Amino acid sequence: SYDLTQPPSVSVALGQTATIPCGGNNIGGKHVHWYQQKPGQAPLLVIYRDSGRPSGLPERFSGSNSGHTATLTIFRAQVEDEADYFCQVWDSDLHLFGPGTKVTVL
Amino acid sequence: QVQLQESGPGLVRPSQTLSLTCSVSGDSITSGHFYLYWIRQHPGKGLEWIGYISHSGRTSYNPSLKSRISISVDTSQNQVSLKLDSVSAADTAVYYCAKDRPQWSNAFDLWGPGTMVTVSS
Repeated sequence: SYDLTQPPSVSVALGQTATIPCGGNNIGGKHVHWYQQKPGQAPLLVIYRDSGRPSGLPERFSGSNSGHTATLTIFRAQVEDEADYFCQVWDSDLHLFGPGTKVTVL
Repeated sequence: QVQLQESGPGLVRPSQTLSLTCSVSGDSITSGHFYLYWIRQHPGKGLEWIGYISHSGRTSYNPSLKSRISISVDTSQNQVSLKLDSVSAADTAVYYCAKDRPQWSNAFDLWGPGTMVTVSS
């Protein structure tokens, strides 16, 4: 099966840039989606197909994907960006999620 | 605007069948605009894809759960149902239904609020 890896946690100073990696074998050849989940809430799609941003999402959310790593970048991190972030791919008719990264804004 | 709402019993006895419903409003399941998915999240853990059903009734299930799962659609009620047989404490989780947007490589662009299911005697 295809495995996705994410660091358990990432810390970022208020107003600085957070980088959240999602690792997978040749993940650059797949489409990666990213979800934000705050406590007690359902996940929210923040990036689709590597770098697409749904309407209404702040422009400070950005995504990229190449080689063995996809990356979610949060520019000018705000307090409200503190959440868990999950990457997700579709592989062989299976939808797979990464283990998630908890982002803390200091 | 499409909305999703899960419903079902919050408590299920071990070895019984878990039955949940996802009610869709704002669009018809048969429109072909999206597939509907079930996804669960164990307490304090990550997300696990359970399976999906298309507007035509085609299903695909997570191999790890395939022997116990059934997903069906009731077009008259605009609802999708999940049945999970022979549950154990390991099936205690928040269960979400979600829809995809095919144009976005099947990203889950809308989720229901989720329903917590506890398996306990």
